[in-house]
Amino acid sequence: KAGVTQTPRYLIKTRGQQVTLSCSPISGHRSVSWYQQTPGQGLQFLFEYFSETQRNKGNFPGRFSGRQFSNSRSEMNVSTLELGDSALYLCASSLGEEQFFGPGTRLTVL
Amino acid sequence: QKEVEQNSGPLSVPEGAIASLNCTYSDRGSQSFFWYRQYSGKSPELIMFIYSNGDKEDGRFTAQLNKASQYVSLLIRDSQPSDSATYLCAVNSQGGTSYGKLTFGQGTILTVHP
Repeated sequence: KAGVTQTPRYLIKTRGQQVTLSCSPISGHRSVSWYQQTPGQGLQFLFEYFSETQRNKGNFPGRFSGRQFSNSRSEMNVSTLELGDSALYLCASSLGEEQFFGPGTRLTVL
Repeated sequence: QKEVEQNSGPLSVPEGAIASLNCTYSDRGSQSFFWYRQYSGKSPELIMFIYSNGDKEDGRFTAQLNKASQYVSLLIRDSQPSDSATYLCAVNSQGGTSYGKLTFGQGTILTVHP
């Protein structure tokens, strides 16, 4: 069974731009969660989608948004990028309690 | 107080020894507890999860949960150099409403030396 896939794997953007990251969950998994990982803050929950509905949201500004499509694929968007948004963005999919992470998208904001 | 706390380490053990990793959490309503391993430059991979008090064993790994003390631990027996990684403790406080929100500790760096 294929794992969680994320695209792109690496991104370089400049301040003020916006970015869209994509995640394809494991086949059959309907829940997709997004996390941000930085050296200073560690792994922090962004949001969770289930059946195209946002089920949970973390403590991030409104510049961070997401959505889920009917095939369970998910995208997250960050608008008006700031230097502090540089991080590894991880997507995880789950069928039950166990979450499985994708390889992540490394975002660098210059 | 952080919601999930781990000793940052680094923890260094000799090959073949038992490595003990600890985690405490603040939310008494937390339902399930996870241990992930993350190699440098890679994404976290699930080792095991536990939701009942007591021990749960999977190969060389044993997770221990004490809800009264709000404490979770991971024991790695017969540690190998390939076990050298950052170990992340994660907690789900959402219960039956959602499994998708995990709160992570800062991670413990483990080094197993030959």
